[in-house]
Amino acid sequence: GAGVSQSPSNKVTEKGKDVELRCDPISGHTALYWYRQSLGQGLEFLIYFQGNSAPDKSGLPSDRFSAERTGGSVSTLTIQRTQQEDSAVYLCASTLGGRVADTQYFGPGTRLTVL
Amino acid sequence: AQSVTQLGSHVSVSEGALVLLRCNYSSSVPPYLFWYVQYPNQGLQLLLKYTSAATLVKGINGFEAEFKKSETSFHLTKPSAHMSDAAEYFCAVSLEYGNKLVFGAGTILRVKS
Repeated sequence: GAGVSQSPSNKVTEKGKDVELRCDPISGHTALYWYRQSLGQGLEFLIYFQGNSAPDKSGLPSDRFSAERTGGSVSTLTIQRTQQEDSAVYLCASTLGGRVADTQYFGPGTRLTVL
Repeated sequence: AQSVTQLGSHVSVSEGALVLLRCNYSSSVPPYLFWYVQYPNQGLQLLLKYTSAATLVKGINGFEAEFKKSETSFHLTKPSAHMSDAAEYFCAVSLEYGNKLVFGAGTILRVKS
């Protein structure tokens, strides 16, 4: 079956603009995760969804970052008033049940460049 | 707080040689441990995971890792490196009461012909 997909694959934006990044998890997966991969910070957790609820938002770096998930499927990560330090690859992952031992399946990522 | 340390940001081996990538974790409770591989411009792919069953875990592509509680280590090995193994490898940990993965800084493996 299809894996996790993310769009766009690349996004270039100007400082101060808002961006939306989309994640389509594997069909039937109840849990969804967002991570950020940057040169200076490595791979960092951002937010976790179980169904449409986000029990763990502890990794969101500021209130400019928000995410939602609808229908227990697609998720959108929104960054408002982008800054240059937001430049990174944003990765999405999903798991079947959301248990900690479950394998997280990752998408190819969205490379965000803020000019 | 849990953390993961990967010794060596870059490792270079000859084709056919042993691959050893080191990972140490800090955790006050039994962890779940994972190794992921990332090829250029691709997402992360699971190589193997430890979930408190057998301490020697076999994964895909001939990789294996051994969980050693006394050493708080989960090193990744492969007996004979192949050119296609060149990639970046990440060790990660998660805890029973958390669902997120905490990643190490990654090790870039170079395989020389």
